[in-house]
Amino acid sequence: AQSVSQHNHHVILSEAASLELGCNYSYGGTVNLFWYVQYPGQHLQLLLKYFSGDPLVKGIKGFEAEFIKSKFSFNLRKPSVQWSDTAEYFCAVTPRDTDKLIFGTGTRLQVFP
Amino acid sequence: DAMVIQNPRYQVTQFGKPVTLSCSQTLNHNVMYWYQQKSSQAPKLLFHYYDKDFNNEADTPDNFQSRRPNTSFCFLDIRSPGLGDAAMYLCATSIYAGNTGELFFGEGSRLTVL
Repeated sequence: AQSVSQHNHHVILSEAASLELGCNYSYGGTVNLFWYVQYPGQHLQLLLKYFSGDPLVKGIKGFEAEFIKSKFSFNLRKPSVQWSDTAEYFCAVTPRDTDKLIFGTGTRLQVFP
Repeated sequence: DAMVIQNPRYQVTQFGKPVTLSCSQTLNHNVMYWYQQKSSQAPKLLFHYYDKDFNNEADTPDNFQSRRPNTSFCFLDIRSPGLGDAAMYLCATSIYAGNTGELFFGEGSRLTVL
């Protein structure tokens, strides 16, 4: 079955620390890849996406993600986190032969000043 | 301005008492989705509409039904809520244009079952 795994369930960082959140998916075909973010009390919103081309994609608020096809991974990174990055982060995948978005279980990020 | 609006934001019901959650959108997207998200779990797709074509996930319980009377509105009906149905219910929309998979979400409706 298709699935998305996020290795870190809860991450705690100090401001200015670097961030990397892992995401792996299991699907043999072509996929579109996404990271969504949910700030406290707000709706899910798109952080960045990868469809094709350069495997290093840049999103909003200084986030980037790298697609490594051989590892079925799409890890999220940010060089220096801020307190306002405190949120839940969801990796998600859409197999190209469907329009269904499959989510990972999410990573809760807490950033302390 | 909110583009996907869910009502109510919080719903408390009794065991077995039917509940309807609503979703409206101003994006004119032709695909609408309902997800169920339980605490510390991934959002789980219940069903979705391509225009008026209804697509049910194989493991969605019969207790869950949906209606889409027009492009802008979609409803989730839970006929006989059980304690296990307590969750956040998320509505989302997308333009069906070559499998982009980019969804726009509402803020969710949190259901409590007593």
